[in-house]
Amino acid sequence: DAKTTQPPSMDCAEGRAANLPCNHSTISGNEYVYWYRQIHSQGPQYIIHGLKNNETNEMASLIITEDRKSSTLILPHATLRDTAVYYCIVRVQGDKIIFGKGTRLHILP
Amino acid sequence: DVKVTQSSRYLVKRTGEKVFLECVQDMDHENMFWYRQDPGLGLRLIYFSYDVKMKEKGDIPEGYSVSREKKERFSLILESASTNQTSMYLCASSFRDRRNSPLHFGNGTRLTVT
Repeated sequence: DAKTTQPPSMDCAEGRAANLPCNHSTISGNEYVYWYRQIHSQGPQYIIHGLKNNETNEMASLIITEDRKSSTLILPHATLRDTAVYYCIVRVQGDKIIFGKGTRLHILP
Repeated sequence: DVKVTQSSRYLVKRTGEKVFLECVQDMDHENMFWYRQDPGLGLRLIYFSYDVKMKEKGDIPEGYSVSREKKERFSLILESASTNQTSMYLCASSFRDRRNSPLHFGNGTRLTVT
């Protein structure tokens, strides 16, 4: 079973920040949080990952709560090309990776 | 850039045929994975491999086998294809024991079994 819970869908207006939540209340101390997204008819694409500190890269920011039981992926200025299914995953390095059903993000013009 | 290449984008096979899906990665990754993706069910892990000639069952291995004779290549085999194996198949790879080691996916093979 996936170790994460995400809302099935969300809407966000173009140009606004998209904040995608993820609950991982059973996360272990050595498990990382990873985010991927999948645009229609393509393979999933890696976005960002973190252990306990907040992380930022050219695509997004990842905010992890202090107790590490939840996190938020932030797309700072959403565009129509960000319409996709977003997956939050927790994994131990080298372990098999289980995907949940993700959040379908709709960017509205 | 990491490249994971799946040999076919679309494939149509008949029931009972033996089907080979090939995946090649060019980043010297130890880990390789095969998933299938179906509407409403998400990505489900079929098999994975941590090293050459090594394989582990995922969550839905029934009806499938795999082969990892070389580090860069991971093959998924449907011994006798059935219509319930019609699906999108995704291959992925990663380093085994490195902190910054996300999965890299291919673009998938859409298999139809008639």
